Amino acid sequence: AQSVAQPEDQVKVAEGNPLTVKCTYSVSGNPYLFWYVQYPNRGLQFLLKYITGDNLVKGSYGFEAEFNKSQTSFHLKKPSALVSDSALYFCAVRGTGANNLFFGTGTRLTVIP
Amino acid sequence: NAGVTQTPKFQVLKTGQSMTLQCAQDMNHEYMSWYRQDPGMGLRLIHYSVGAGITDQGEVPNGYNVSRSTTEDFPLRLLSAAPSQTSVYFCASSRPAENTEAFFGQGTRLTVV
Repeated sequence: AQSVAQPEDQVKVAEGNPLTVKCTYSVSGNPYLFWYVQYPNRGLQFLLKYITGDNLVKGSYGFEAEFNKSQTSFHLKKPSALVSDSALYFCAVRGTGANNLFFGTGTRLTVIP
Repeated sequence: NAGVTQTPKFQVLKTGQSMTLQCAQDMNHEYMSWYRQDPGMGLRLIHYSVGAGITDQGEVPNGYNVSRSTTEDFPLRLLSAAPSQTSVYFCASSRPAENTEAFFGQGTRLTVV
């Protein structure tokens, strides 16, 4: 069975501070991990993915994510938050040989000016 | 390049009415799927298709039908709308490989009264 947990419904950070949005996963076989962002009244936009290789993955808009196999985590990070980063963020996982993406419940990020 | 196009963007139905949510993609993706997004529940998979003529059920298929007669189109039919089907619906497409990201439409906001 595949599942994703995003333990924080909401994260608030001050502009210019580093941000972290947490994600843990459970999957059969090797995990393929994804982060998506959703702005109000819009669809989901792909940010980055972990397939294999380096545990630190860099993506769009200055975001990066760290894969930790022992902790089964894939936390999203950004060194300096912008007000425009305020949005809903989803972590998703796909297991080896699987077609379907399983999503977490989402974390609402608010960056305070 | 339009990507994934969903119509309509908004719809209000009365209980018991039927309707079809349209989804089309122009990326020649074999894999397509429908999700519903509800507050606090993230995205849940309704139905998916791995190619023309092949469909299968996801996590929450009851009350919905799909068909896939062409690679491009993947309509979602609500047979007899219920208030519990009030939600935002997203269509997604991707290449049929576990390490590829999915592309999402802009969503259809459906209200059943």
